[in-house]
Amino acid sequence: GQQLNQSPQSMFIQEGEDVSMNCTSSSIFNTWLWYKQDPGEGPVLLIALYKAGELTSNGRLTAQFGITRKDSFLNISASIPSDVGIYFCAGQLASGGYQKVTFGTGTKLQVIP
Amino acid sequence: GAVVSQHPSRVICKSGTSVKIECRSLDFQATTMFWYRQFPKQSLMLMATSNEGSKATYEQGVEKDKFLINHASLTLSTLTVTSAHPEDSSFYICSASSSKTQYFGPGTRLLVL
Repeated sequence: GQQLNQSPQSMFIQEGEDVSMNCTSSSIFNTWLWYKQDPGEGPVLLIALYKAGELTSNGRLTAQFGITRKDSFLNISASIPSDVGIYFCAGQLASGGYQKVTFGTGTKLQVIP
Repeated sequence: GAVVSQHPSRVICKSGTSVKIECRSLDFQATTMFWYRQFPKQSLMLMATSNEGSKATYEQGVEKDKFLINHASLTLSTLTVTSAHPEDSSFYICSASSSKTQYFGPGTRLLVL
């Protein structure tokens, strides 16, 4: 199935540093979503973006819905050890009467205390 | 956010047996639920879309006779892996659609011996 291109694939950062990751697609989406997944758990929704150009924050997290509707980025400021995990972007588009979600390839984040 | 549960959280079965996984939306009604499969270190891949009161829609390459989906009520969808084989071992995650976004269950780890 289709996947979105997400980068970087993985990153090691020092505690306190800011983090940036992005997601690109060849097709447009109506909604961009960012999830975090801990090992052995399901993804947890962090931020949802519904309009092109929208910039939304959730605590230390900030995400933007690209103007072209084909990309999105997520920033994490002042990282802490509990930010460790895998971050997935996801694009959502109406298909056959329901909202179909396509996931990115994921960014594995490791924070060094 | 909305709460979605899955049962069981993990299951070990012998090759050739069938396994049923339940997905429940606990605090909202979901006309549409989704089933994903995630192999180690990979992203979530959509298997099928489960619609309450109608047949599920399967993604290309997913065998509908092997992965039986039943969405009998607005809060429950079940995935049955029939005649399971070791290659079916994976992390199965459901999600339920609430208005604009999807909320994910905690996942079910299936190991087929």
